[in-house]
Amino acid sequence: EPEVTQTPSHQVTQMGQEVILRCVPISNHLYFYWYRQILGQKVEFLVSFYNNEISEKSEIFDDQFSVERPDGSNFTLKIRSTKLEDSAMYFCASSLRDGGDYGYTFGSGTRLTVV
Amino acid sequence: RKEVEQDPGPFNVPEGATVAFNCTYSNSASQSFFWYRQDCRKEPKLLMSVYSSGNEDGRFTAQLNRASQYISLLIRDSKLSDSATYLCVVSSGSARQLTFGSGTQLTVLP
Repeated sequence: EPEVTQTPSHQVTQMGQEVILRCVPISNHLYFYWYRQILGQKVEFLVSFYNNEISEKSEIFDDQFSVERPDGSNFTLKIRSTKLEDSAMYFCASSLRDGGDYGYTFGSGTRLTVV
Repeated sequence: RKEVEQDPGPFNVPEGATVAFNCTYSNSASQSFFWYRQDCRKEPKLLMSVYSSGNEDGRFTAQLNRASQYISLLIRDSKLSDSATYLCVVSSGSARQLTFGSGTQLTVLP
């Protein structure tokens, strides 16, 4: 079964440092997403990406966040200057059609720890 | 008011039991509805979409009541492997982003 692959599985970074979380969506999928889940809390939407541009973003996705699809396979989330409260599990997801109608396939996540 | 509200549980049931989860959502413009399951420290996995006509997948039955803004999931003949957190999820907004409930924790006991 095709998978969404995320690397690294765990990243520890110092406050104020930049991090890039990497995702390889399923190859023929067209819609890409980032979600996060702070430990013990619910999964929260960050951003959706379609046709090489952001289609929607939440209030969490402020100027310190950016996304990029630098080539045909990778989809990255960059956090420019990490804060302690950015510590969370970050999930990438993709879907062939509009995932809001059919659901997404999530990657296994990157656990980000900011110290 | 929470956008998607679920009873957090935990629900502890014996193997073979039938268990029902309920969920309410606040956005009447929500477009699609799902149940996901999440194992501890893992990614959410789509269990099933939910339709007004009701839908069934093996031991799992989901129902949507748009008028009441209420979603349900019924698990029959529960197995040990059903132990997980069940997430009620709705899509809304221009990009159909998913809004997750906080989840209901289920433990099936031998």
